[in-house]
Amino acid sequence: KAGVTQTPRYLIKTRGQQVTLSCSPISGHRSVSWYQQTPGQGLQFLFEYFSETQRNKGNFPGRFSGRQFSNSRSEMNVSTLELGDSALYLCASSPTQNYEQYFGPGTRLTVT
Amino acid sequence: AQSVTQPDIHITVSEGASLELRCNYSYGATPYLFWYVQSPGQGLQLLLKYFSGDTLVQGIKGFEAEFKRSQSSFNLRKPSVHWSDAAEYFCAVASGGATNKLIFGTGTLLAVQP
Repeated sequence: KAGVTQTPRYLIKTRGQQVTLSCSPISGHRSVSWYQQTPGQGLQFLFEYFSETQRNKGNFPGRFSGRQFSNSRSEMNVSTLELGDSALYLCASSPTQNYEQYFGPGTRLTVT
Repeated sequence: AQSVTQPDIHITVSEGASLELRCNYSYGATPYLFWYVQSPGQGLQLLLKYFSGDTLVQGIKGFEAEFKRSQSSFNLRKPSVHWSDAAEYFCAVASGGATNKLIFGTGTLLAVQP
């Protein structure tokens, strides 16, 4: 089975712009979670989608949003980018609610 | 609230030496615990997990971890470290409820000396 894929792998954006990141889960996995990883804050949960519904959301401003499509692929969007949004964004998929998650390689976002 | 503490930010061991990475958790019920490894510029790879049952769990790459409820710990061990084990290691606990959310520790960066 192919693993979790994330596109793009690297992205450079300017403050004030918006960005969309994509995640394709492992085939058959219905849960997709997103995490932000920074040197200062570590790994922080953004949100989780299960069967196209947001099931949980972390403590992030409304500029961070996401969605899941019927094929379980997910996108996250960050609007009005700030310098502090520079991070590695990781996507993880899970077959059901069993907590075992498989991570993609991440998208490295740099905001200048 | 659930939390995970990894007391060691950075550890250096010699190749061939044994390794133990510490993890302490705070969770009201029986926790679901995980260890992940991250190589530079990469995502997280699941090493092993504990859900219930035998408190000593075996994982990939020769790693094992022991769940000790009395100490709220889930330490990761390896008898003989290889240079390729140099990476960052994260302990995590499932937040519980109807979500797959994981709460991560701050990570331990492992360096391996030849």
